[in-house]
Amino acid sequence: QSALTQPASVSGSPGQSITISCTGTSSGVGSYNLVSWYQQYPGKAPKLIIYEGTKRPSGVSNRFSGSNSGNTASLTISGLQAEDEGDYYCCSYAGSNINWMFGGGTKLTVL
Amino acid sequence: QVQLVQSGAEVKKPGSSVKVSCKASGGTFSNYAFSWVRQAPGQGLEWMGVIIPIIPTPNYAQKFQGRVTITADESRATVYMELSGLRSDDTAVYYCASPRYSSSSLGYWGQGSLVTVSS
Repeated sequence: QSALTQPASVSGSPGQSITISCTGTSSGVGSYNLVSWYQQYPGKAPKLIIYEGTKRPSGVSNRFSGSNSGNTASLTISGLQAEDEGDYYCCSYAGSNINWMFGGGTKLTVL
Repeated sequence: QVQLVQSGAEVKKPGSSVKVSCKASGGTFSNYAFSWVRQAPGQGLEWMGVIIPIIPTPNYAQKFQGRVTITADESRATVYMELSGLRSDDTAVYYCASPRYSSSSLGYWGQGSLVTVSS
C-alpha cells in the first residue's frame, strides 16, 4: 500500500470552492473507489464525510463531494463556510490485507 | 447505530505498557472490524491495526508490529489495544473506530483516549 500525499494547507474565502488532493506515491495504489475522507475539528474525533471515493453519508452537506482521477482522489468543498475550517484526511483501504492508510492531512482555513 | 466508548486518560512511564479499551454497543459485535487509530499532538491520523472478533487474528500496521496487541472480548463487547515499550513519541490520543456505510470507511469513532508517556 502506498503513502498518500495531501497538501499541508489550503485556504479559501466564504462562498468559494476549494479542492484537496490525495495522491498515491507508488504504483498499485489500489482502488480509489475505496478512498474515504474525514473532517476533524480540534479536540474532536474525525467524522466521515465521503466514502467509496464519491459517496456522502446521510447528514453530510452536499457541498462536499469526492472524485477520482488516475492516482489522485480529491475532495471538493463548494460554497465555503466558516464552519468548514478544520483538518481533512483522506484514507485508503486495502481490502486484501484489511488495512487502512491515512494521508498526512490538510488544514483548511476559511479566510 | 454503534456507539464506541473508550477508557480514560493514562499517564505512563517510558518503557512501560498501556492497555486502552473500547466498549461497543448497538451492533453485532462479532462481525465488526474494530480499528485503532492514533494522533500525536499536532500530528495526523495514524492507523495502527484492526481486529474482527469473529476472525480473532488481528492485522497490524508494519510500524507497530511487535509492539501492539489488539484483542477482543466478546462477552464484554470490548476491544483492547495494548502498546508496549512506550516512548515519549507514543504520547497521543488513541481512537477506536469501526466501519459504517461500507466496509472501507470508518464511520463510527470512539471519543479518544489520551495516553501521555512521561518520566
